[in-house]
Amino acid sequence: GAVVSQHPSWVICKSGTSVKIECRSLDFQATTMFWYRQFPKQSLMLMATSNEGSKATYEQGVEKDKFLINHASLTLSTLTVTSAHPEDSSFYICSATAGFLGYSNQPQHFGDGTRLSIL
Amino acid sequence: DQQVKQNSPSLSVQEGRISILNCDYTNSMFDYFLWYKKYPAEGPTFLISISSIKDKNEDGRFTVFLNKSAKHLSLHIVPSQPGDSAVYFCAASAGGNEKLTFGTGTRLTIIP
Repeated sequence: GAVVSQHPSWVICKSGTSVKIECRSLDFQATTMFWYRQFPKQSLMLMATSNEGSKATYEQGVEKDKFLINHASLTLSTLTVTSAHPEDSSFYICSATAGFLGYSNQPQHFGDGTRLSIL
Repeated sequence: DQQVKQNSPSLSVQEGRISILNCDYTNSMFDYFLWYKKYPAEGPTFLISISSIKDKNEDGRFTVFLNKSAKHLSLHIVPSQPGDSAVYFCAASAGGNEKLTFGTGTRLTIIP
């Protein structure tokens, strides 16, 4: 149980293009989803938190107009990297939890990540 | 400001022996702690968690110990198996807020 699917697993694209990454909870309803970024040999850094049907909450230093998050249903959240540049190249990982923010402790379950390379 | 720290970037353990991974935190508001295992190019896999009302939680070969006064937690894996070789992250959250703060990870290598 608690499977999170992330797609695509690997993207290479030219600078200036926009890239959309999907995160789906396959066997549970995810009221809250999280988007992380991981640089090589570093920890996971939270980018934003989204609850279904409401606007995402972005961490300090994360440009909300650059990283558009949509959590339109209880099983799908998308992250769109707009006008991507080489410095946006990274490993992006989503996670999902069935617990509503502030209600209970629930482990986050992670997707397998998306390796984004901007040329 | 690294609120969750894993001071050992790597650890090597003989197969069959006990692996002990350590984690320290500074934020006294953290009350829920988790351990994740991660292979390269994959997302983290949840292993075990502990609430601050407990000092120990056990699940099969994995046991997590929490020392609140020392702001320290550890993960014990016994017996260690080759498949346990991975990077282990500890993470913490505060007050029912599921936002997690991750440590920097410890690479565990099990030697056959």
